[in-house]
Amino acid sequence: ILNVEQSPQSLHVQEGDSTNFTCSFPSSNFYALHWYRWETAKSPEALFVMTLNGDEKKKGRISATLNTKEGYSYLYIKGSQPEDSATYLCAFIGRGSTLGRLYFGRGTQLTVWP
Amino acid sequence: EAGVAQSPRYKIIEKRQSVAFWCNPISGHATLYWYQQILGQGPKLLIQFQNNGVVDDSQLPKDRFSAERLKGVDSTLKIQPAKLEDSAVYLCASSLGWRVYGYTFGSGTRLTVV
Repeated sequence: ILNVEQSPQSLHVQEGDSTNFTCSFPSSNFYALHWYRWETAKSPEALFVMTLNGDEKKKGRISATLNTKEGYSYLYIKGSQPEDSATYLCAFIGRGSTLGRLYFGRGTQLTVWP
Repeated sequence: EAGVAQSPRYKIIEKRQSVAFWCNPISGHATLYWYQQILGQGPKLLIQFQNNGVVDDSQLPKDRFSAERLKGVDSTLKIQPAKLEDSAVYLCASSLGWRVYGYTFGSGTRLTVV
């Protein structure tokens, strides 16, 4: 069973604050890492697909970095807004027979207060 | 592009009853997944289809869960008989190319077994 850990479990910030969360995963057999945002009563939405060590991806105020050698990824949100409130999930894909299967962490639940 | 459609959105049943969930993926997406998310945990893969063939059902509790994908399009997931521990959100996802785009998820079915 693959272990994907996310921290913190929950986070409460004020509007305008910048924040970041961590996803750690097995560094061996790495193939890809996905980040998803899941707002209440909506579908999880793909934010980033990351495959290369040192990858940095950006989408508006949200960015992510990847270190496959040490097995972690950071997600950053600059100037958080109330609409950023959601659960942020990371998911690991390993090589081999389970290629394509996502192994999810438990998520970081972000609440941004106006 | 229409998203992944799932129904029903919510379902409450008594233990030992049967329940079925339906998923219509995005047109042209050959790969379809069913994930189970128990409260406080990350989503866990139950079954993966490629067209109408099963690729991975190693995590599916086959004594009570079954799934099929008719003609490589719609899919149904059935639980018979349901247990209290089956209370969860059941997510369907499809993918055109998860290496680049990630998965597209439906909004899920929240099942409560009482």
